[in-house]
Amino acid sequence: NAGVTQTPKFQVLKTGQSMTLQCAQDMNHEYMSWYRQDPGMGLRLIHYSVGAGITDQGEVPNGYNVSRSTTEDFPLRLLSAAPSQTSVYFCASSSDGDSYNEQFFGPGTRLTVL
Amino acid sequence: QQPVQSPQAVILREGEDAVINCSSSKALYSVHWYRQKHGEAPVFLMILLKGGEQKGHEKISASFNEKKQQSSLYLTASQLSYSGTYFCGTEGRGGADGLTFGKGTHLIIQP
Repeated sequence: NAGVTQTPKFQVLKTGQSMTLQCAQDMNHEYMSWYRQDPGMGLRLIHYSVGAGITDQGEVPNGYNVSRSTTEDFPLRLLSAAPSQTSVYFCASSSDGDSYNEQFFGPGTRLTVL
Repeated sequence: QQPVQSPQAVILREGEDAVINCSSSKALYSVHWYRQKHGEAPVFLMILLKGGEQKGHEKISASFNEKKQQSSLYLTASQLSYSGTYFCGTEGRGGADGLTFGKGTHLIIQP
């Protein structure tokens, strides 16, 4: 199993550009989430999904869109990139259960917006 | 709302003990603990569930006080490999608001 994969690993954008960060998992996990990590701020939840076709907002959803058309994929879209979105982005997945189980994190995408 | 972790940073000598605390303002269903090495993704340590169930590594010790909405992670006889940033994640009742992480506690172990 590849686990959780994220592409690209690094990306530089100009202000106003749009792009999609890809996330895929091959563990048949129902739960998937996107976090951003900034120095001193920890991991902040952007959006999450409890299954295909179901998404919800986390703490910092503004400027980002998600969709979950399949169990495997959970892409994160930046609509119009801003310098404030410069960050490291982590995707995570976990199996279904009565509560959240062990989160498996992808290797991260380091995004710089100029 | 992010849980609050304390202390923000700890510097220990190898073999010393440390306690990392996590508190939340909301009723909790579970508390998660993760460790992150510099430049790497967070790695799972353990989950503590409402009702006392725990899932995770046998060598890691933690507690969960449901009434006070607090959890503590106990690192005993620390090793150099324990260095990193520790995050607690909290889940509210019914999974509402997803899994929310604190700002982290930086742990440095010196030989």
